[in-house]
Amino acid sequence: QVQLVQSGAEVKKPGASVKVSCKASGYTFTSYYMDWVRQAPGQGLEWMGMITPSGGSTSYAQKFQGRVTMTKDTSTSTVYMELRSLRSEDTAVYYCARVDGGRYHYWGQGTLVTVSS
Amino acid sequence: EIVMTQSPATLSVSPGERATLSCRASQNVHSNLAWYQQKPGQAPRLLIYSASTRATGIPARFSGSGSGTEFTLTISSLQSEDFAVYYCQHCNNWPWTFGQGTKVEIK
Repeated sequence: QVQLVQSGAEVKKPGASVKVSCKASGYTFTSYYMDWVRQAPGQGLEWMGMITPSGGSTSYAQKFQGRVTMTKDTSTSTVYMELRSLRSEDTAVYYCARVDGGRYHYWGQGTLVTVSS
Repeated sequence: EIVMTQSPATLSVSPGERATLSCRASQNVHSNLAWYQQKPGQAPRLLIYSASTRATGIPARFSGSGSGTEFTLTISSLQSEDFAVYYCQHCNNWPWTFGQGTKVEIK
């Protein structure tokens, strides 16, 4: 069965970077785009960007341009999302989600990133 | 980017009653719309895609309708497990954006 397993919670200081991983299994890794979506405490869902696991092409939300990098490791079926220059407003749960023709049928369990001095 | 607006923000409904949630897109998204349910501490769960197609395993009491800029999610008879937050999301073009959510609470 399809599974997306994310790395564990992180606590970071303002100005630091965080790198969250999402390991895919149960399907052909290179056949589906992967998106990253975040959710601040008590808030809604925010699309951050996407990566094509086959070629590694990326597209980022304008809000995160210059601060986010999404990468992939085909050998381990893992995608990564790195966010730099963290600020308190980046405290959120970060999800990876597989793109299934215009919808997200499969989601990771979420990774809480807390930014605090 | 396309702005998705959901209404109402909160809907108070008694178990067994019908719930109607609305979602409006700032531009024509055709039928490229999905609905998700989210419960506290959980990832969102896909309910509806292509505006009206139920995802695998979703009960028939959930139905979606609409196209263009106006969409509706209807829960025909609310069960206890349906009290949650519901989000719409367009996938017409990048960036995909979500509505701010409608919380369905017990009346």
